[in-house]
Amino acid sequence: QVQLVQSGGEVKKPGASVKVSCKASGYTFRSYGISWVRRAPGQGLEWMGWVRDIRGDTVYAQKFQGRLTMTTDSSTNTAYMELRSLTSDDTAMYYCARVRIAVTGNPGDIWGQGTLVTVSS
Amino acid sequence: DIQMTQSPSSLSASVGDRVTITCRTSQDIRNFLAWYQQRPGREPKVLIFGASTVESGVPSRFSGSGSGTDFTLTINSLLPEDVATYYCQKYDTVPWTFGQGTTVDIK
Repeated sequence: QVQLVQSGGEVKKPGASVKVSCKASGYTFRSYGISWVRRAPGQGLEWMGWVRDIRGDTVYAQKFQGRLTMTTDSSTNTAYMELRSLTSDDTAMYYCARVRIAVTGNPGDIWGQGTLVTVSS
Repeated sequence: DIQMTQSPSSLSASVGDRVTITCRTSQDIRNFLAWYQQRPGREPKVLIFGASTVESGVPSRFSGSGSGTDFTLTINSLLPEDVATYYCQKYDTVPWTFGQGTTVDIK
C-alpha cells in the first residue's frame, strides 16, 4: 500500500524551529519527489517547496527562503521539512505530497495525513 | 509569478446538478494544471492532472478541460459526498501556486 505517514502535532513558541517528518512506504522512494504544502486556519492551500530525491535538488517558495529546509533520507525513505524562526502566522496544518516526475507529471498524487503545528507563547 | 484566479469562491447546488469551477492563469501554463478535492478534516486528494487526465480511482463524474490560461473542473451529477473545497494548482514552473479554493455544498 502506497502511503505517506507524517509525524505528530507540535506546539512551538515564537522564534523556535519545527521539523516534520514524512515516511514513505509501498513505492520506490528515489523515483519520486516530495512536495510540502500548508493550510493555515481559515485559509487555502499554500505551496512551500519540493525536493527531487533522485538528485536532492530543492526549490522553495520565495516567502520561505532562508528559513526553510527540505531534506530526504533514502536509507529510511523519509522526507523532512524544517521551518525556523516561527511566528503565529506559521500555525497551520502541514502536508507532504508525493510528486510524480514524468512528461506531464503529477504534483501531488499521494498525500500524508497532515501535521498540525501550533505556534503560541 | 503567475497569478491564479479561481471562481466562484463558493457555490451551493442540488444533488444531481452539474457543477463547474474555473481557474484562470495570468500566463500560458500549457496543460500543467491539477485539481484537488479537500473534504473537511481530511488531506487533499488529486482528481485531475495534466488539465484533463482523471487520476486512477476517481469517479467518472469528475472531468477537467482547458489549456493555456483557462481551465475548468466539472462535476456531473453532484452527490452529497462531493461536499468539499476544490483547488486548482499550476505546476509548469515554480512556484506551484494554488488557486484560492471553491467551497461546494448542497442546497
